[in-house]
Amino acid sequence: QQPVQSPQAVILREGEDAVINCSSSKALYSVHWYRQKHGEAPVFLMILLKGGEQKGHDKISASFNEKKQQSSLYLTASQLSYSGTYFCGTVSGGSNYKLTFGKGTLLTVNP
Amino acid sequence: DSGVTQTPKHLITATGQRVTLRCSPRSGDLSVYWYQQSLDQGLQFLIQYYNGEERAKGNILERFSAQQFPDLHSELNLSSLELGDSALYFCASSVGYSGGGPGSEQFFGPGTRLTVL
Repeated sequence: QQPVQSPQAVILREGEDAVINCSSSKALYSVHWYRQKHGEAPVFLMILLKGGEQKGHDKISASFNEKKQQSSLYLTASQLSYSGTYFCGTVSGGSNYKLTFGKGTLLTVNP
Repeated sequence: DSGVTQTPKHLITATGQRVTLRCSPRSGDLSVYWYQQSLDQGLQFLIQYYNGEERAKGNILERFSAQQFPDLHSELNLSSLELGDSALYFCASSVGYSGGGPGSEQFFGPGTRLTVL
């Protein structure tokens, strides 16, 4: 089942912070975050596993709440280069480890 | 550049036709994944191969098939094409297939844009 992302879109000014949420109705094994710029391929950001939190980038971090089956991506002091669509992908137990992506959150950072 | 290559970049064909999309994974990666991306459906997982064997299947239509060859490149075959098959098709690769932890991060190729007229 497809995870639900919120918000669907967000507009920021450079330097502002943002939080993107991802939730699932299934028990999750891991949560993956990717960013896709317009016309390009998705790019891996980070993976969060049950029982752990992994920070993939300098000012981009994420958390994983196993009890709520939710993950949040935190972007601090946003830069113009952060603009793009952020996808969370979830892996559920018993899913043969296939990654199911949410519909994405469009982030626009303006000067 | 992710190191994953896909050909062709663009493909325009007619309904009812058959096409083959090709993907070469990053050097050393054993897993290959295929995804379909359309505006209304987002990134849909189609199928995964690991070292030549099918590992997981998603919402792949019966008209679609894929395989991974001994040299680890993969092909996605789409037949009896319909207008609704028009989409961007991505291939991704990873070292492993565990779904989490080191080695499971996926690297995406540039995609093949398929247009069915």
